[in-house]
Amino acid sequence: GQQLNQSPQSMFIQEGEDVSMNCTSSSIFNTWLWYKQEPGEGPVLLIALYKAGELTSNGRLTAQFGITRKDSFLNISASIPSDVGIYFCAGQPRGSNYKLTFGKGTLLTVNP
Amino acid sequence: DTEVTQTPKHLVMGMTNKKSLKCEQHMGHRAMYWYKQKAKKPPELMFVYSYEKLSINESVPSRFSPECPNSSLLNLHLHALQPEDSALYLCASSPNPTINTEAFFGQGTRLTVV
Repeated sequence: GQQLNQSPQSMFIQEGEDVSMNCTSSSIFNTWLWYKQEPGEGPVLLIALYKAGELTSNGRLTAQFGITRKDSFLNISASIPSDVGIYFCAGQPRGSNYKLTFGKGTLLTVNP
Repeated sequence: DTEVTQTPKHLVMGMTNKKSLKCEQHMGHRAMYWYKQKAKKPPELMFVYSYEKLSINESVPSRFSPECPNSSLLNLHLHALQPEDSALYLCASSPNPTINTEAFFGQGTRLTVV
């Protein structure tokens, strides 16, 4: 089946720094989603992308749907301690109704 | 109301017990999902209901039995589970199952099988 390669696996940054993470696939995806999950909670949808080239912001977060439809990135600007968590990319592969493929996650730690 | 609500938040059960997990959404979403998540791993799809009908069963063992009584409710019945079934069980819903899979998750049920 389709796989998503998410990188980096983990990041340790200082408060105020910018963060970038990405997901790539060998297959074409129709939808890219970015989630954040905190310990003991369910994933929270941050940004949803539906068109190749689409660039969408949500506060300090910006995500883009790659032109080739095989990749996406998420940027976080001016990080704060509450940004700590695991960030997952997820996508709907072309021809796959209902099913999302998840990346393995990026664990973000922000030092105050 | 933009929430997916799961109960209970925590559950400890023995291997001979029968229990049920419950999920509710009032966003008018027509697709509902059960996922299983192990620590520091991504969610793994178990079941998909589309318009209250089971659409996908990801080869889940029969000791897990889903039920969709109506468009707002989703249950997961548990019986004779094994310790390795301990995990976070997540319910999710999405607006239109045939167009996109923008899934909204509940906070999960932390299940421990002893």
